[in-house]
Order: sequence, then structure tokens, then C-alpha cells
Amino acid sequence: GAGVSQTPSNKVTEKGKYVELRCDPISGHTALYWYRQSLGQGPEFLIYFQGTGAADDSGLPNDRFFAVRPEGSVSTLKIQRTERGDSAVYLCASSLGNRAGTGELFFGEGSRLTVL
Amino acid sequence: AQSVTQLDSQVPVFEEAPVELRCNYSSSVSVYLFWYVQYPNQGLQLLLKYLSGSTLVESINGFEAEFNKSQTSFHLRKPSVHISDTAEYFCAVRGYNTDKLIFGTGTRLQVFP
Repeated sequence: GAGVSQTPSNKVTEKGKYVELRCDPISGHTALYWYRQSLGQGPEFLIYFQGTGAADDSGLPNDRFFAVRPEGSVSTLKIQRTERGDSAVYLCASSLGNRAGTGELFFGEGSRLTVL
Repeated sequence: AQSVTQLDSQVPVFEEAPVELRCNYSSSVSVYLFWYVQYPNQGLQLLLKYLSGSTLVESINGFEAEFNKSQTSFHLRKPSVHISDTAEYFCAVRGYNTDKLIFGTGTRLQVFP
């Protein structure tokens, strides 16, 4: 597609349930990022992929959060045993991945997760 | 590690007035600097960036920002705002030695007629 696509756009779940959020990056972009944005806050870094591998996962808040990118394109963010504090908009972004280049990240519109 | 501080959470301004949105950063290494904008019900999009060279950078819709290394600032300015500039503006920083982009908490610019 022309831009970064995220599904679902909205997800409502109950506390304790498992959730998967999907990101389809721009074709040809080797770098993929996940951010979390809570109300009134800026995007908070979670994890960054270069190709299939997680180059930096230092932002994942705990071991309930996990992300994969098995073929170097689509990525899935997985949240186990969801808690009310996980409610936020989860943003995905992709880029050409050239550290010395423009550095521009292209963002999707986000997946809004609500944990009841 | 890098960090970003946006001192103003909200900036109300009348149409055609000038505006400045402040951004300060902290880093132990050289940095790239960015401003992203989020219009209502839309995703984040790049407004302008400083990578190297001229410290004054401009966007296509009249915004400009100046990299000031001594003051570790990258303030965003526009001499005359429009209603359509109403949005959330995020300053972001990336160190030369990392691929991680760190965002500030954002400034909501509200332009009134």
C-alpha cells in the first residue's frame, strides 16, 4: 500500500485477555518501529526492527509485551494478560532504515486499545 | 541517551498572529532534530528536520525552526498562523549513534479566528 497500515484501528478487550496488533509498513522500508501514545503524552518508544531482528527493544515495559517481524515486512505487537494501564494508541512507523539518511519515520494512524 | 522537553503543553493564538513552539533537548552525542505534526484524526507526519548544514530549516507551509547548539534548542516558528495550523506538534531527537527517535510530550496549537 501507499502508507503504513495498522489493524485493527480500534480494539476493546477485557483485563487479562491477549491482544495482537498488526502493522504493514511501506513496501521496501527495512526499519519498523512501535510506539505507544497515552492521552496527553508524546509517542513513547517500544521497539525497533531492522529487517527481521529486533535491534532495540529497550522500550518494552515488561515481559507481557512482545513483537515479531518474521519475514522483515509485517510486524505484530503482542500483549499478554492485558491490564487497564495498557490502554493507549499503539503507533507503528517505518523508514528506509539508513541511519545516515533522512531519518524520516512514516507513521500509521494507530491502533487504539481499550482495556476494560 | 537523549531526551526532549516541550515547555508548553498548549499554545492558543489568533489567526495571522506569530507563534513560537519551544523545544529543548538533551544529548551526550550529536543529534538530528525533527518536528512532527498530528492534525485532528490523522497520523503523525514530518513537518521539518535538521540533519546538518544550515541551522535554519523550513517547511513547505511556512514553518521554520532553528537549531541552536549552545542553547540545545530547536524552536518552531511561524510568522502568521492559519486556522488550518491547529494541531498537535511534537519535537523529536535522534542521536547520531542510534536509530531510536525520542519524542517530547507535544504542544497543542489552537488557532482562533
